[in-house]
Amino acid sequence: AQKVTQAQTEISVVEKEDVTLDCVYETRDTTYYLFWYKQPPSGELVFLIRRNSFDEQNEISGRYSWNFQKSTSSFNFTITASQVVDSAVYFCALRGGSSNTGKLIFGQGTTLQVKP
Amino acid sequence: DAGVIQSPRHEVTEMGQEVTLRCKPISGHNSLFWYRQTMMRGLELLIYFNNNVPIDDSGMPEDRFSAKMPNASFSTLKIQPSEPRDSAVYFCASSFGQGDEQFFGPGTRLTVL
Repeated sequence: AQKVTQAQTEISVVEKEDVTLDCVYETRDTTYYLFWYKQPPSGELVFLIRRNSFDEQNEISGRYSWNFQKSTSSFNFTITASQVVDSAVYFCALRGGSSNTGKLIFGQGTTLQVKP
Repeated sequence: DAGVIQSPRHEVTEMGQEVTLRCKPISGHNSLFWYRQTMMRGLELLIYFNNNVPIDDSGMPEDRFSAKMPNASFSTLKIQPSEPRDSAVYFCASSFGQGDEQFFGPGTRLTVL
């Protein structure tokens, strides 16, 4: 069975602090894909990143960075110098590759509050 | 470019009524997904289509739910009869291929009284 666990339900930081959102996944597929989505208070889901299981290189995009470690089945997301606009619910998701399915398995989400 | 379009954005109805949610995927995308988001169950996939054909409907709760995709630019999710436990936000998403990143619409907030 496939599963995504985001153990942190809520995180509160002060603006300019760095914050890391944890994501641990379970899958028996050898090929799989990991995603992060952002859901701001307005409610829409915004795609942030996709990473496949063969690419363990860390990714950096501006203040956002992602650390993918197959050895610990983790795909953590770090926001550097957080801003109030980063306040949102962040979802990690998994898609298995062996069955060629498009189905995404989402974690429960981490609510990030950035205070001014 | 227009993103995924959903209508209505909000729907309030009474138990027993039929509800139809609509979705227009991003032009050129071949896969379409319907998700439901609740506090209790989080985000869960209901059904998805690839090239207008339903591929996985294992998440559809029961026979009261049905989904169609008559063409590449339109899909509906119907609940008949609706029940209070169907109250949720329903998202439609589309992707170029069924394995590619999915882009979500703004969602339809459904309240069944």
